[in-house]
Amino acid sequence: SQTIHQWPATLVQPVGSPLSLECTVEGTSNPNLYWYRQAAGRGLQLLFYSVGIGQISSEVPQNLSASRPQDRQFILSSKKLLLSDSGFYLCAWRAPGLAVNEQFFGPGTRLTVL
Amino acid sequence: DQQVKQNSPSLSVQEGRISILNCDYTNSMFDYFLWYKKYPAEGPTFLISISSIKDKNEDGRFTVFLNKSAKHLSLHIVPSQPGDSAVYFCAASARRFDSSGTYKYIFGTGTRLKVLA
Repeated sequence: SQTIHQWPATLVQPVGSPLSLECTVEGTSNPNLYWYRQAAGRGLQLLFYSVGIGQISSEVPQNLSASRPQDRQFILSSKKLLLSDSGFYLCAWRAPGLAVNEQFFGPGTRLTVL
Repeated sequence: DQQVKQNSPSLSVQEGRISILNCDYTNSMFDYFLWYKKYPAEGPTFLISISSIKDKNEDGRFTVFLNKSAKHLSLHIVPSQPGDSAVYFCAASARRFDSSGTYKYIFGTGTRLKVLA
């Protein structure tokens, strides 16, 4: 069966510090991968998606970047965090192709920028 | 422009009764709809989905109804249980018309369901 991992689970960082959040998926090959952010009291905002190694698409301009160095690894980064980067970050995967449409989420990372 | 709307931020239901969560959408290009359940500090858990070519999909206590003409879908939980208390997100997906060959997902803001024992 497929599983998705995210770490760390929680993170408190000062403004201006760098960020690296990691997501890995097991039990599937060539998944579509996604990074979302849920701000307090808001819905899920798509940040980045990737359909393959090195292929990253950004949904909204922001202070963050993403990379996919391996097939089942997705990394969310920032060089200098802003207060507005605080939120709950979720990684999700979806099977490649068009047959299956369900997206499955990881446990999330709670980021607090002080 | 919010393409997927969950207009009720919260809902309280007595245990054993029916919970009905609603979702409206504006984009007729959406071809698949999903419901997720989310507990605090956890990732959303997939519950049930429906293709736009259907009007009903049932899985145990969960049934999703789709009314394409009204651009409305609803999730029915019968009977409701205290463990169903969570935030429920509605999501809609549409095929991306770019070289990625993947889907775009738009989420509503969620409805907090509280099932009272």
